[in-house]
Amino acid sequence: NAGVTQTPKFQVLKTGQSMTLQCAQDMNHNSMYWYRQDPGMGLRLIYYSASEGTTDKGEVPNGYNVSRLNKREFSLRLESAAPSQTSVYFCASSLERQANTGELFFGEGSRLTVL
Amino acid sequence: AQSVTQPDIHITVSEGASLELRCNYSYGATPYLFWYVQSPGQGLQLLLKYFSGDTLVQGIKGFEAEFKRSQSSFNLRKPSVHWSDAAEYFCAVGAPFNTDKLIFGTGTRLQVFP
Repeated sequence: NAGVTQTPKFQVLKTGQSMTLQCAQDMNHNSMYWYRQDPGMGLRLIYYSASEGTTDKGEVPNGYNVSRLNKREFSLRLESAAPSQTSVYFCASSLERQANTGELFFGEGSRLTVL
Repeated sequence: AQSVTQPDIHITVSEGASLELRCNYSYGATPYLFWYVQSPGQGLQLLLKYFSGDTLVQGIKGFEAEFKRSQSSFNLRKPSVHWSDAAEYFCAVGAPFNTDKLIFGTGTRLQVFP
């Protein structure tokens, strides 16, 4: 059981290039999330998808787009990368949106550097 | 504004010593509270959570946390730290029906010396 799988794990981009981070979960979860983690700032929510076919903005959505391709997959796209988007990106999933089910399951992260 | 504060950026303890990691929150009502752990190169894993009821909650790996409403705190404790506990620890608060509204603290990095 792989849980939440993110690809790629590492990527270096030049300013202005585009790329897509892929995320897939095999736990039959309804909700999926993209976070970024920056030193001294904890995790900040970029976008989330409460269910297949829906997506919503989180705290820091500017410069990103997402696609909930199906129940398993949730991708994050940078259309024109900027140095400010250098970060570690985490995908997560949960069974339901309600917090009383309690738990987010995280992938191992994707480290992105924009030069 | 809703927020989570972890006052200690970095803590160093000796193996076998006790541990307390601090977490303070600002929230309009009683939130749902969580502690997550991130081992090097890994994603976050849930240690424990508090929703209601008994204010002392037990988690995995021998951790516990106590909710103190009067102090708006949810401190994480472990009686005897093992070298494998070296990691970064995140406190998070959220609303009962919105996991998309989780607010994470900035984390406390724990270093364990033999």
